[in-house]
Amino acid sequence: DAKTTQPPSMDCAEGRAANLPCNHSTISGNEYVYWYRQIHSQGPQYIIHGLKNNETNEMASLIITEDRKSSTLILPHATLRDTAVYYCIVRLGGNYGQNFVFGPGTRLSVLP
Amino acid sequence: GAGVSQSPSNKVTEKGKDVELRCDPISGHTALYWYRQSLGQGLEFLIYFQGNSAPDKSGLPSDRFSAERTGGSVSTLTIQRTQQEDSAVYLCASSLTTEQETQYFGPGTRLLVL
Repeated sequence: DAKTTQPPSMDCAEGRAANLPCNHSTISGNEYVYWYRQIHSQGPQYIIHGLKNNETNEMASLIITEDRKSSTLILPHATLRDTAVYYCIVRLGGNYGQNFVFGPGTRLSVLP
Repeated sequence: GAGVSQSPSNKVTEKGKDVELRCDPISGHTALYWYRQSLGQGLEFLIYFQGNSAPDKSGLPSDRFSAERTGGSVSTLTIQRTQQEDSAVYLCASSLTTEQETQYFGPGTRLLVL
């Protein structure tokens, strides 16, 4: 079973920030938070990951609460091409051979 | 550089036939994963290869499913005596052996068993 919970769907206006929440209340101290997205008919695409500090890259920002029990993925200026299913995953770092457990994710619809 | 590639992109087969799906990971990536995704569902882990270690086969749904990885690079997922419930998108991912182990996915093979 996935160790994260996400809202099943969200809408966002084009050009606005999309804020996608994720709860991971049972996360352990050495588990990372990963975000992937899957655009229709394509394989999942890596977005960003973090352990406890906020992270930013060219695609998005990741805000992790101080207690690490939840996080928010921020797409600062959503475009129509950001319409996808967004997956929040927690897993151990290091070479443990642990697979990624994908839950149902959040279906983000960016509206014109 | 090239990403993860998979072939064929689509496969239609008859029930009872065997199929082979191929994955070419990113060059230099030592870890390789197979997942499948049924229509409208999340990803289901199937099998994991890491270097020369014995693969983690804990996700394979039945003994009709097997996979091998030759020379630590290309992997083949084989489904014997296919059933209609095997219809799904089969995704391959690879990663470096780093602390974060970010996985990079291929485009998938869409399998339809008639």
